[in-house]
Amino acid sequence: DVKVTQSSRYLVKRTGEKVFLECVQDMDHENMFWYRQDPGLGLRLIYFSYDVKMKEKGDIPEGYSVSREKKERFSLILESASTNQTSMYLCASSHRGPSSYEQYFGPGTRLTVT
Amino acid sequence: ILNVEQSPQSLHVQEGDSTNFTCSFPSSNFYALHWYRWETAKSPEALFVMTLNGDEKKKGRISATLNTKEGYSYLYIKGSQPEDSATYLCAFVGFAGTYKYIFGTGTRLKVLA
Repeated sequence: DVKVTQSSRYLVKRTGEKVFLECVQDMDHENMFWYRQDPGLGLRLIYFSYDVKMKEKGDIPEGYSVSREKKERFSLILESASTNQTSMYLCASSHRGPSSYEQYFGPGTRLTVT
Repeated sequence: ILNVEQSPQSLHVQEGDSTNFTCSFPSSNFYALHWYRWETAKSPEALFVMTLNGDEKKKGRISATLNTKEGYSYLYIKGSQPEDSATYLCAFVGFAGTYKYIFGTGTRLKVLA
């Protein structure tokens, strides 16, 4: 069974803290994605990676960085969390080739920054 | 600015009704159009991946069509059931030197028993 897991379902952090969100997939997928979901705005792409150590900026990369040291793991880093980064964060993965392959999503991490 | 719009934003139908929603997307640099179903407290799950103009896909009572020239896709649900209640998302995948993945804001469907 296809599986994407995220390190936490709920997280509360203070303004200025460094935050790590981890995502692991067990499907040997080349592509991995980080999105944030906010009411009325749909899923917005933060970063994606199409291979180990490779990354591409999505639509809203400001305030975030990513790390992909191993194929199965894609980390999202908030260098200095701010209240406007309170959101639901979803990780996804897919085989290479976006035209043919759907994305498989993790359960999401609801992050609150106080 | 690339925009993907879905309509309606939300919809209530009676059990047994058939319904359809629209996804409008840019007609240039098209690569693929994905449909996902997102039930409350679960992860989005793929319904269809569509790549060719005129594509029609079907899975049980749910089907979708694609028109890349005019930039729209329709999702149809025949004989809606309460278990069809979910948010239906479409995602435009474009390519112009780099890939763009743009999700619509979704259509929230509630099927009343």
